[in-house]
Amino acid sequence: GAGVSQSPSNKVTEKGKDVELRCDPISGHTALYWYRQRLGQGLEFLIYFQGNSAPDKSGLPSDRFSAERTGESVSTLTIQRTQQEDSAVYLCASSGYRPTGETIYFGEGSWLTVV
Amino acid sequence: GQNIDQPTEMTATEGAIVQINCTYQTSGFNGLFWYQQHAGEAPTFLSYNVLDGLEEKGRFSSFLSRSKGYSYLLLKELQMKDSASYLCAVSRDDKIIFGKGTRLHILP
Repeated sequence: GAGVSQSPSNKVTEKGKDVELRCDPISGHTALYWYRQRLGQGLEFLIYFQGNSAPDKSGLPSDRFSAERTGESVSTLTIQRTQQEDSAVYLCASSGYRPTGETIYFGEGSWLTVV
Repeated sequence: GQNIDQPTEMTATEGAIVQINCTYQTSGFNGLFWYQQHAGEAPTFLSYNVLDGLEEKGRFSSFLSRSKGYSYLLLKELQMKDSASYLCAVSRDDKIIFGKGTRLHILP
């Protein structure tokens, strides 16, 4: 596609439910990132994929968070047993093999509210 | 580990110049990004510095000193639309780590 596409754009869920967030990167981009941004805060690194493998999962805040990527394309971020502190916008970004210069692009984000 | 520091908020006047500083401590440094983020929107790319020195792009310039772990973003001829958060981000190996951002308020 023309840009990084994320869905849903907005999600309200009840505490304790599972949610799945989807990211469709720019075609041909092998690197894919997930970040979390709480209201008024900076971007918090969650996980990075190179192809379908995730060499760096160090940012996942707990074992309730998991992510996968298939076909070197779409990625899903799953949050199990959601908590109110999970409320944030989840941003996906993609780039070529290495993030150099202008080659990293963000999606519009998935806004998650846990009530 | 890594540490990226930038001021939380700054205020400047329309038409003026403002400099937003960023200091970092990290291993495996590749380069430094600056992104602009308007409220409720995704970050958009402004600049990427790999070598020491100043790079100018229109009203925006970005400076890097690798030996000092220091960068700044310089905005000239400020316009109201420049009111946004400015994010400093370090490219470390293949991971990009963002600072918490500087919220810039522009006064008429």
